[in-house]
Amino acid sequence: AQKVTQAQTEISVVEKEDVTLDCVYETRDTTYYLFWYKQPPSGELVFLIRRNSFDEQNEISGRYSWNFQKSTSSFNFTITASQVVDSAVYFCALSAYTASKLTFGTGTRLQVTL
Amino acid sequence: KAGVTQTPRYLIKTRGQQVTLSCSPISGHRSVSWYQQTPGQGLQFLFEYFSETQRNKGNFPGRFSGRQFSNSRSEMNVSTLELGDSALYLCASSSAVTGTDTQYFGPGTRLTVL
Repeated sequence: AQKVTQAQTEISVVEKEDVTLDCVYETRDTTYYLFWYKQPPSGELVFLIRRNSFDEQNEISGRYSWNFQKSTSSFNFTITASQVVDSAVYFCALSAYTASKLTFGTGTRLQVTL
Repeated sequence: KAGVTQTPRYLIKTRGQQVTLSCSPISGHRSVSWYQQTPGQGLQFLFEYFSETQRNKGNFPGRFSGRQFSNSRSEMNVSTLELGDSALYLCASSSAVTGTDTQYFGPGTRLTVL
């Protein structure tokens, strides 16, 4: 069975602070995909990144960066110099390599204030 | 390209009624998945359709059903509504022919059961 744990329920930061959202996963599959999605108050899930299990390179996209560590089954997401527009619920998700079903974590609500 | 569209955006029904939700995928995408989001259970996978066939199914009762048409549009039906069916229903589409590809989500249909 697959499982995704996002232990941080809610994080509050002041604008310009860096923040890291944690994601730990469990799977018996040897190949799999990991995802991060953002859910603003409007409700739509916005895709941020997909990473496959055989590519442990960290990725940076603007103020966003992701740290994938297979040894600790973690796929953490860092926002550098956070902004108010980053306020949202962030979900980490896992899927098998050959099946489209996404298993989501419970989400981390990020509140960025001025 | 237009994104995933879902209609209606909001629905209010009473217990015992049935409801049909509609999803139009991104042009060219043949896979459509449905998810239920509730405060208590989080985001849960309902089912996935590809080329008019159900390819994957989550752990939901038979009251939840779906179908996909030849133009890849999908509908989800819930019969004999219960209060616990109140949720945000999200549809996602992907271009996956086999295996997993990134799923792009629509804005959701918020169903309230009274």
